[in-house]
Amino acid sequence: GDSVTQMEGPVTLSEEAFLTINCTYTATGYPSLFWYVQYPGEGLQLLLKATKADDKGSNKGFEATYRKETTSFHLEKGSVQVSDSAVYFCALSDWGAQKLVFGQGTRLTINP
Amino acid sequence: GAVVSQHPSRVICKSGTSVKIECRSLDFQATTMFWYRQFPKQSLMLMATSNEGSKATYEQGVEKDKFLINHASLTLSTLTVTSAHPEDSSFYICSARDLTPSNSPLHFGNGTRLTVT
Repeated sequence: GDSVTQMEGPVTLSEEAFLTINCTYTATGYPSLFWYVQYPGEGLQLLLKATKADDKGSNKGFEATYRKETTSFHLEKGSVQVSDSAVYFCALSDWGAQKLVFGQGTRLTINP
Repeated sequence: GAVVSQHPSRVICKSGTSVKIECRSLDFQATTMFWYRQFPKQSLMLMATSNEGSKATYEQGVEKDKFLINHASLTLSTLTVTSAHPEDSSFYICSARDLTPSNSPLHFGNGTRLTVT
């Protein structure tokens, strides 16, 4: 079945550092790919998405490119802030973005 | 923006009792809602798809009789954990999507942490 694998956390960085959180997937079809973020005490929020190969999703300085050849959707940000501290989930869906398969989540902590 | 409200946020119950968790879409209608379970330091696992006015669709390995789902209206789905046991302790999250537009994103509740003693 479909699956998503994220780099293990937790990840701790200093403010203004470069961030990469790796995500690879396995899917039988042509999935849409997502990054969700969960801030402390809150629900999941959609951060960005890409629906086809070579698409780049971006939001709030975060970017991720749908790489079909490497089945990857790595999350990047050039300069992180303390407010980016959260848990990040990579996810895929191959059915109209409804039924999601999640990675295990990566906890990110940014120190001032 | 669209909001999904989950209640309660935390619940502690004794073994053998039942617990009901509510998921409401506050400013939109959702024919379909999804229930996830998250174990500590693990991913969210889809438990079931809740369909308004019909039976829920359960994922493989999820006990239908243990996790009762009722989706009685376009804005409310409930998950009842029946005869709860300590191994049912977990974080349960619901999600829903607006009927329109067709490509609207999924919205998630803040989750319910269930502790069974």
